[in-house]
Amino acid sequence: QKEVEQDPGPLSVPEGAIVSLNCTYSNSAFQYFMWYRQYSRKGPELLMYTYSSGNKEDGRFTAQVDKSSKYISLFIRDSQPSDSATYLCAMSEGAAGGFKTIFGAGTRLFVKA
Amino acid sequence: NAGVTQTPKFRVLKTGQSMTLLCAQDMNHEYMYWYRQDPGMGLRLIHYSVGEGTTAKGEVPDGYNVSRLKKQNFLLGLESAAPSQTSVYFCASLTAGYGYTFGSGTRLTVV
Repeated sequence: QKEVEQDPGPLSVPEGAIVSLNCTYSNSAFQYFMWYRQYSRKGPELLMYTYSSGNKEDGRFTAQVDKSSKYISLFIRDSQPSDSATYLCAMSEGAAGGFKTIFGAGTRLFVKA
Repeated sequence: NAGVTQTPKFRVLKTGQSMTLLCAQDMNHEYMYWYRQDPGMGLRLIHYSVGEGTTAKGEVPDGYNVSRLKKQNFLLGLESAAPSQTSVYFCASLTAGYGYTFGSGTRLTVV
């Protein structure tokens, strides 16, 4: 069993839809949770960075962490064609650089105009 | 502010050849990393460094070597390239609490 599971998609939605992207994990020691967006042939870029359980909102993006269920989500409101990308979840036991970060394999999202 | 710069962007190698991938960051980050990305497998850590002059093995270090002689540079070497090393390679740097900053990647094909 992988430490982090992420549905690969692809997920296709119409413009303006609410998108829900999810990851499950098995290591209860994970405390820091991240979402990265990766456009085709580009490097991943950090979208959201959260600590422990709860919600964090940034514009149209909301990250949600449920440590009791070992489940994290990224919601995108009013989705735009420019949101078409691969979304990677990532998680780590600590914030400092010596802690191992595990990445999901990514979910490909297509937003149709 | 360039962030993380990787060179080259593309390379084709023959089996058995060697090469060095270069990574430079201008953010004064202590931590630097080399990942490879393969379809369906996500990002896998090859080697990392927690400061100038230090290196450590990641999840998939075999066939690779690294050096961090200067804080801003992190080099990844392939000693004798194999087709299994065909991948996209990403360098990243990190400051605690703020997540990774990735470079734009090097697409390597070994034939």
